[in-house]
Amino acid sequence: GAVVSQHPSRVICKSGTSVKIECRSLDFQATTMFWYRQFPKQSLMLMATSNEGSKATYEQGVEKDKFLINHASLTLSTLTVTSAHPEDSSFYICSARPDGQYNSPLHFGNGTRLTVT
Amino acid sequence: SQKIEQNSEALNIQEGKTATLTCNYTNYSPAYLQWYRQDPGRGPVFLLLIRENEKEKRKERLKVTFDTTLKQSLFHITASQPADSATYLCALDNQAGTALIFGKGTTLSVSS
Repeated sequence: GAVVSQHPSRVICKSGTSVKIECRSLDFQATTMFWYRQFPKQSLMLMATSNEGSKATYEQGVEKDKFLINHASLTLSTLTVTSAHPEDSSFYICSARPDGQYNSPLHFGNGTRLTVT
Repeated sequence: SQKIEQNSEALNIQEGKTATLTCNYTNYSPAYLQWYRQDPGRGPVFLLLIRENEKEKRKERLKVTFDTTLKQSLFHITASQPADSATYLCALDNQAGTALIFGKGTTLSVSS
């Protein structure tokens, strides 16, 4: 149980275009989901906390107008990288835990490898 | 702000030996600490969680210790196998108590 599905797994786009990444909790409800970014040989860096029915909370230094988050339902959060540039190329990973299970482990999607050319 | 350090970027050991990975943290007193495994190109997978009032936790060949005085956790894999080769991440809850913050990870290579 507790599966998080992320789509697409890989995407290549041209500089200046926008890319949408979907994160779904398949067998549980998640009012809150988390978006991370990981550069090669670096740690996972928390970008933002996605909240169903309200605005996302962004970490310091993350541009909210560039990384648009929409938490449309209790099982779906999307991250849109707008006007992507080569420096946005990275591994984006979402995660969630079932509602009510505070302080429990996070379940992660398999990530999206974004390459901006 | 919170800081997590995993001292070794890479650890190479022979099959059958015990791998010991270290995680140190500063500027925080977490209620719990977690360890995850990450394979290349994949998301992290949860392994073990240990709470501040627990000294040690075991699961099959895995063992985690948590020393809140030293602000350190040790992660052991006994009788290591080539299939254990991966990057192991230490994680703490953030100060809001919602998300996790991660160390850089230690990449373990087990040779046969």
